[in-house]
Amino acid sequence: DVKVTQSSRYLVKRTGEKVFLECVQDMDHENMFWYRQDPGLGLRLIYFSYDVKMKEKGDIPEGYSVSREKKERFSLILESASTNQTSMYLCATRTGGEGADTQYFGPGTRLTVL
Amino acid sequence: LAKTTQPISMDSYEGQEVNITCSHNNIATNDYITWYQQFPSQGPRFIIQGYKTKVTNEVASLFIPADRKSSTLSLPRVSLSDTAVYYCLVDRYNQGGKLIFGQGTELSVKP
Repeated sequence: DVKVTQSSRYLVKRTGEKVFLECVQDMDHENMFWYRQDPGLGLRLIYFSYDVKMKEKGDIPEGYSVSREKKERFSLILESASTNQTSMYLCATRTGGEGADTQYFGPGTRLTVL
Repeated sequence: LAKTTQPISMDSYEGQEVNITCSHNNIATNDYITWYQQFPSQGPRFIIQGYKTKVTNEVASLFIPADRKSSTLSLPRVSLSDTAVYYCLVDRYNQGGKLIFGQGTELSVKP
């Protein structure tokens, strides 16, 4: 089974702090994704990466950056956390090869910014 | 990728069959349809995927008509544990890339 782990289930930070959310996968998948989920807005894509050191902006990249130094690890960085970044953050992975495949999600990190 | 439209919410009772229909009028030839399920405080989980006609697995069935402009997820004999949000997505074959999630359908199963 694919395993996608996220560094924290719950996190509380203060406005202005730098926040790191880590995601690790064990299936050698090329593609990794960061979403945020808010009530009434569904899942929105922040950034994704299709290879080490490669990244692409999703629909809502403002206020976020990412890092992928190793294939199995994809980090989401909030350079200066703000209250409007309080949300559930979900990491996902999928293969980059041929065929119909699926995204595998981690358990999520619920971030509260005070 | 084609936009999808599905009901915001549905109610059902235990033991009933639930059908959730999704429309995707602009689906392309190399797109396929995927459904995810999400429980509160968890990440979405893949449940079924198809290209045309009918697909069945141990969890659900997926019906896709010939024109592929819609699809129906069928959950047989639901239980309270099927209460979740169900997302219909259009994905592109061999893309391996991002998915676009809509609002999903919030299914509430009552005793």
